[in-house]
Amino acid sequence: QKEVEQDPGPLSVPEGAIVSLNCTYSNSAFQYFMWYRQYSRKGPELLMYTYSSGNKEDGRFTAQVDKSSKYISLFIRDSQPSDSATYLCALGSSGTYKYIFGTGTRLKVLA
Amino acid sequence: DTGVSQDPRHKITKRGQNVTFRCDPISEHNRLYWYRQTLGQGPEFLTYFQNEAQLEKSRLLSDRFSAERPKGSFSTLEIQRTEQGDSAMYLCASSLSLAGGTDTQYFGPGTRLTVL
Repeated sequence: QKEVEQDPGPLSVPEGAIVSLNCTYSNSAFQYFMWYRQYSRKGPELLMYTYSSGNKEDGRFTAQVDKSSKYISLFIRDSQPSDSATYLCALGSSGTYKYIFGTGTRLKVLA
Repeated sequence: DTGVSQDPRHKITKRGQNVTFRCDPISEHNRLYWYRQTLGQGPEFLTYFQNEAQLEKSRLLSDRFSAERPKGSFSTLEIQRTEQGDSAMYLCASSLSLAGGTDTQYFGPGTRLTVL
């Protein structure tokens, strides 16, 4: 079993839709939860960073962490064609500085 | 642009050749990371430095791979005797460690390696 599971998609939605992206994980030691956006042939770009459980909002993006269920989510409101990219979840734990990434979910927002 | 930079952006080489990649982190960042990403997968951790010290290495980093950060600034990743399986995007990230603070990694654009 992989440490982090993420549906690879692709996920196609119409412009203006609310998008929900998710990851599940197995290691309860993870404490830091990140979402990155990666356009084709580019490096990952940090979108959200959360520590422990709870919600965090930044503009059209909301990150949720449920440590009891080992489940993290990223919501995108009013999705735009420019949001079309691969979204990667990344998890970290104290004592090590490496991130464990999901495989990424490809999102297509149709105009 | 004060982000993480990587050079070259693309490298095509023949099997058996040696290649070296360079990463320049964000200037005040003391931690530097190397990851490898293959098509359809997320980045996989290779190694990380705090200042000039290499503190953690993945078992993915075979003896053909070596990384250095000689003065705690830029870093190089060398692959000797390249194999076709080394074809991937090599990503560099940097972060600033603060006492009691978070440690968020910022990625460069990557170096895409193709081994023929």
